[in-house]
Amino acid sequence: TQLLEQSPQFLSIQEGENLTVYCNSSSVFSSLQWYRQEPGEGPVLLVTVVTGGEVKKLKRLTFQFGDARKDSSLHITAAQPGDTGLYLCAGGNNFGNEKLTFGTGTRLTIIP
Amino acid sequence: NAGVTQTPKFQVLKTGQSMTLQCAQDMNHNSMYWYRQDPGMGLRLIYYSASEGTTDKGEVPNGYNVSRLNKREFSLRLESAAPSQTSVYFCASIDRGAYGYTFGSGTRLTVV
Repeated sequence: TQLLEQSPQFLSIQEGENLTVYCNSSSVFSSLQWYRQEPGEGPVLLVTVVTGGEVKKLKRLTFQFGDARKDSSLHITAAQPGDTGLYLCAGGNNFGNEKLTFGTGTRLTIIP
Repeated sequence: NAGVTQTPKFQVLKTGQSMTLQCAQDMNHNSMYWYRQDPGMGLRLIYYSASEGTTDKGEVPNGYNVSRLNKREFSLRLESAAPSQTSVYFCASIDRGAYGYTFGSGTRLTVV
């Protein structure tokens, strides 16, 4: 069974600070996705990375896939209250017919 | 609005009762999934359907059954509910050749 561990589990920081969330596994994945989930809603896809070492930017969010495709990180610059939510990483191994393995999640709170 | 629709949004069952959770997507996606989300455990796959007419077990299938009624609809049935099935259930779909699930907004189920 493939496992994805996220750290930290909880993070509460002031508006304007920077933060990094980590997603680690002992298994190799062909793709790694990041989702954000708000209370009472389903997760929403933020980004997919598929190449070892790949870096993608989405405004103030920077996502990186590890060289060995076993880990990933999400860095947020100048966090804003709208970034508050549950961040989930998910690994896949069957492009187009994905059975994703989800991490345990990082609950982020940005304090105004 | 295009997307994944789940019904009901909330449900309370007594132990031993049965019910069916409904899921429909209007994006013509091939693959559909049922996950459960529990605190500290992330999302765990219950059953999935890679295409119309096929279903397969995921990580935690015990106590559940599914039906892929047509390409749009994928239902999850609890034949005899147990308190351990108290959870938030999410349906998701994905198109062939695409990355990233589209999730429904979830069903919060409580079994007493």
